[in-house]
Amino acid sequence: ETGVTQTPRHLVMGMTNKKSLKCEQHLGHNAMYWYKQSAKKPLELMFVYSLEERVENNSVPSRFSPECPNSSHLFLHLHTLQPEDSALYLCASSQRGVRGGRTDTQYFGPGTRLTVL
Amino acid sequence: SQQGEEDPQALSIQEGENATMNCSYKTSINNLQWYRQNSGRGLVHLILIRSNEREKHSGRLRVTLDTSKKSSSLLITASRAADTASYFCATGPDAGGTSYGKLTFGQGTILTVHP
Repeated sequence: ETGVTQTPRHLVMGMTNKKSLKCEQHLGHNAMYWYKQSAKKPLELMFVYSLEERVENNSVPSRFSPECPNSSHLFLHLHTLQPEDSALYLCASSQRGVRGGRTDTQYFGPGTRLTVL
Repeated sequence: SQQGEEDPQALSIQEGENATMNCSYKTSINNLQWYRQNSGRGLVHLILIRSNEREKHSGRLRVTLDTSKKSSSLLITASRAADTASYFCATGPDAGGTSYGKLTFGQGTILTVHP
């Protein structure tokens, strides 16, 4: 148990569906991340939120829409996905350094296994 | 090309043997971390070594870092079947203004420990 939870754990959706992934961290961290993990590919960073502000968007298609309502919760809203979007979506959190420039340990949730039909 | 590249891609050993995995990277780093992932699960942090450190130990884990060669190794001693997992190195960039914990992950080494 890492202190980061993700729901749902498994999701099957059609290309026209709209769904959301939820992540919650109970660690008091102030930075949260969404990663995509596909077979035979390195972990891809999608979005970073630091102090509830999106600080990075790695050229992710607009069919993925993140939301961070507070420092403990992170959502990934999905709409009109493609079959190639099927992957394990991982959420992580870390404690951002006060002055910045630090790279701290990241704590990962168990992931949501997404299948797009 | 990616920042962290692990070698070998897959490693199969018997219980009790040592397992060594290597990681190479390309740019200056602030620190290097190793993570473990059981099949279909999230990653779990194992150990962090800073750029001014050369070696670090944690239980049966030993990590070395050679910044001149831009490489790191993870040694697991006296391996157990429960060590079967994928192992990833992740690099944190040099402090050049990044204000959050951005990590770049390699593709990982799949370790199988046979009982």
